[in-house]
Amino acid sequence: DTAVSQTPKYLVTQMGNDKSIKCEQNLGHDTMYWYKQDSKKFLKIMFSYNNKELIINETVPNRFSPKSPDKAHLNLHINSLELGDSAVYFCASSLGPTANTEAFFGQGTRLTVV
Amino acid sequence: RKEVEQDPGPFNVPEGATVAFNCTYSNSASQSFFWYRQDCRKEPKLLMSVYSSGNEDGRFTAQLNRASQYISLLIRDSKLSDSATYLCVVNSHSNYQLIWGAGTKLIIKP
Repeated sequence: DTAVSQTPKYLVTQMGNDKSIKCEQNLGHDTMYWYKQDSKKFLKIMFSYNNKELIINETVPNRFSPKSPDKAHLNLHINSLELGDSAVYFCASSLGPTANTEAFFGQGTRLTVV
Repeated sequence: RKEVEQDPGPFNVPEGATVAFNCTYSNSASQSFFWYRQDCRKEPKLLMSVYSSGNEDGRFTAQLNRASQYISLLIRDSKLSDSATYLCVVNSHSNYQLIWGAGTKLIIKP
């Protein structure tokens, strides 16, 4: 059983389109995250939710909107996609929101904007 | 200065050798330190936490040097399967956020 699963794994789309990435975890964790890993391999946090509440909202364009319908799901919707949005997006979860807990990652969604 | 810095490598190391790399961090108040491993085109996975007293897990040893603000990872008797990128992770000024290094790429050659 996959602990953190995200779909789709690959996403190729044109500039200006709107797309969503879904994430689900079956670990019973309270906290979920979205990370972006760019071509230089830096992993940067975008958002963090704890029990469906937003606790970290880094400086990302407001074209990116996370939604957490319940604590096992955290989806990411992106409006008006731009070339610079091309990256690998990782969903992750952890037991709690503090930074001393292990994060479990999904397999990543490789987004290519053309 | 970046919050977390690592030598990007690649480190090309013969199988069976010992290899070590460091990671420096800028926030002297950081309390949580980790090494994650990321295989090519895969997700990061926790390798080990780094405790003040050091931490050993089989062939892997992690150490923390608070005075000089760096953590280290030592791999003994390296295997081909150790080839990966090793990510250093430190908590930020906020205890709710982790800062990730860009990773050190390790290539073990037969």
